[in-house]
Amino acid sequence: EAGVTQFPSHSVIEKGQTVTLRCDPISGHDNLYWYRRVMGKEIKFLLHFVKESKQDESGMPNNRFLAERTGGTYSTLKVQPAELEDSGVYFCASSQDLRQTQYFGPGTRLLVL
Amino acid sequence: AQRVTQPEKLLSVFKGAPVELKCNYSYSGSPELFWYVQYSRQRLQLLLRHISRESIKGFTADLNKGETSFHLKKPFAQEEDSAMYYCARPMDSNYQLIWGAGTKLIIKP
Repeated sequence: EAGVTQFPSHSVIEKGQTVTLRCDPISGHDNLYWYRRVMGKEIKFLLHFVKESKQDESGMPNNRFLAERTGGTYSTLKVQPAELEDSGVYFCASSQDLRQTQYFGPGTRLLVL
Repeated sequence: AQRVTQPEKLLSVFKGAPVELKCNYSYSGSPELFWYVQYSRQRLQLLLRHISRESIKGFTADLNKGETSFHLKKPFAQEEDSAMYYCARPMDSNYQLIWGAGTKLIIKP
């Protein structure tokens, strides 16, 4: 079984540019979560999809972040325009049912200069 | 607000010595708690969840409601245990995980 995949693995962009991160969950997993770890801080929840519907986006820092999951398969997280404080590692996780184990992708390391 | 606290950023022990990674949580009904591990160049993976009461790779963790703790223990550390360890608990609503800051465990030869 293929695990959760994320693309790109690394991204270095300049302040003001746009970056789109992608997450492909495990096939058949309805629940998809985005998390972020900013340097020196703990991992924080960003948002949760069930299929294509956003269930909770209370963790999204501001309106520069936009997440989508069209068709209920892969998800994208766009940051536009990127700021220095957006640097960190962005994790995606998926689970089959709500209370089951979340499986994590390898993360995307974003550096905004 | 629900919190998970890992007081140690770094823990360094010798191979063969006992290991205890501390985790405390804020009281809230009947919590579920997890330990996740991230080995070098690998992804986060679930190590233990308290409801399963199992031992994985020699690690155990007991939920102590009186002390609101879920410390991770192993009697004899091995070099391959070196990794980042995160304690986490899910929110009731949508099962999003709340994380501790993580403890970097280094096992010295």
